Amino acid sequence: DAMVIQNPRYQVTQFGKPVTLSCSQTLNHNVMYWYQQKSSQAPKLLFHYYDKDFNNEADTPDNFQSRRPNTSFCFLDIRSPGLGDAAMYLCATRQGRNSYNEQFFGPGTRLTVL
Amino acid sequence: KQEVTQIPAALSVPEGENLVLNCSFTDSAIYNLQWFRQDPGKGLTSLLLIQSSQREQTSGRLNASLDKSSGRSTLYIAASQPGDSATYLCAVGNMLTFGGGTRLMVKP
Repeated sequence: DAMVIQNPRYQVTQFGKPVTLSCSQTLNHNVMYWYQQKSSQAPKLLFHYYDKDFNNEADTPDNFQSRRPNTSFCFLDIRSPGLGDAAMYLCATRQGRNSYNEQFFGPGTRLTVL
Repeated sequence: KQEVTQIPAALSVPEGENLVLNCSFTDSAIYNLQWFRQDPGKGLTSLLLIQSSQREQTSGRLNASLDKSSGRSTLYIAASQPGDSATYLCAVGNMLTFGGGTRLMVKP
């Protein structure tokens, strides 16, 4: 089945140790999104790619970076994780940037920072 | 800036009840509105998508309505079941601005 896959599902890292989260999709959608969801809060958009065009939200910390080497894959890099970065990280895709289409989410990666 | 509010924040009902979850948004210039379900510690499952030109969408026991002019959407769940227990989130726009969610518990 076509889907959005996130690896790993659970990630534990140490304070200040760089970590990379992975997202892949078989939907061939041209837009990919990364959201951060802290405990008991709504998901918050960090950035998105429209094809290779990277778009950062204004309040996304510089500590967060992203790469999209091809249509199928997108990575979230956290350069120096702090305790406040512990959260669920959700990847989503959609066909079309300004569109009426549905967004599809992956299962998320839960990040713990020790 | 778009703001999305969901009321109530939490809801507990006995099994079999019909219920309504509410979502309101401040900027009516939206392409679409999506309703999601989230189980504890899990990702988001899309339930219904309503495009801006539509007034409602139905899937099984779920019916979502959209009134763009008043900035409101409702999610109606018929004959609720314990398996419906989850957090329900509405989100609007291409960049998905989310409401805070309604935590639903359906008691057997």
